[in-house]
Amino acid sequence: GAGVSQTPSNKVTEKGKYVELRCDPISGHTALYWYRQSLGQGPEFLIYFQGTGAADDSGLPNDRFFAVRPEGSVSTLKIQRTERGDSAVYLCASSFGLAGGSDTQYFGPGTRLTVL
Amino acid sequence: ILNVEQSPQSLHVQEGDSTNFTCSFPSSNFYALHWYRWETAKSPEALFVMTLNGDEKKKGRISATLNTKEGYSYLYIKGSQPEDSATYLCAWVPYGGATNKLIFGTGTLLAVQP
Repeated sequence: GAGVSQTPSNKVTEKGKYVELRCDPISGHTALYWYRQSLGQGPEFLIYFQGTGAADDSGLPNDRFFAVRPEGSVSTLKIQRTERGDSAVYLCASSFGLAGGSDTQYFGPGTRLTVL
Repeated sequence: ILNVEQSPQSLHVQEGDSTNFTCSFPSSNFYALHWYRWETAKSPEALFVMTLNGDEKKKGRISATLNTKEGYSYLYIKGSQPEDSATYLCAWVPYGGATNKLIFGTGTLLAVQP
């Protein structure tokens, strides 16, 4: 079956520009997560959706970052006024949203964002 | 700050060698521990989810153990093969949050030489 897909796979932009990163989760998964991996670090949590609503956005670094999931499926991560420090691999994951820490998250291949 | 640490940072072994690496996490507020394998240019692949102290999981040549009281997990690979080359990530899920957000370590990069 189809896994989590992310587009684009690579994005190069200039400082100050606006970018959108898209995530298509596994069909039937109600939970969706965004993570960011900077060079030399492990992935860091950004935001979690349960259905259409952002249940936890505590990982978003500042108000330049925003994410939506209007129909409870596809999600878009939006970054305004990009900065060089935003360069990273942005990972999306989806799951069934089961209670308890054992709910397995299935990851997409990521979008590599480079801000020049 | 509650950190997840992995060691070693990188590891180079010969084909056929057995190897192991460590994930350390806060022993308080433990909910679950996840292991992932991430090959270059691919999606991170879920290996194990572990929740109970003393848990042991196995998948082919790869196995993992869990000690929640002292806050560590070991991942073992028996008879390493070149296709095992990847970054192995562990992620801790703390108890009590409204989400199952994963708190990752920085990973162990394994390179298996043929």
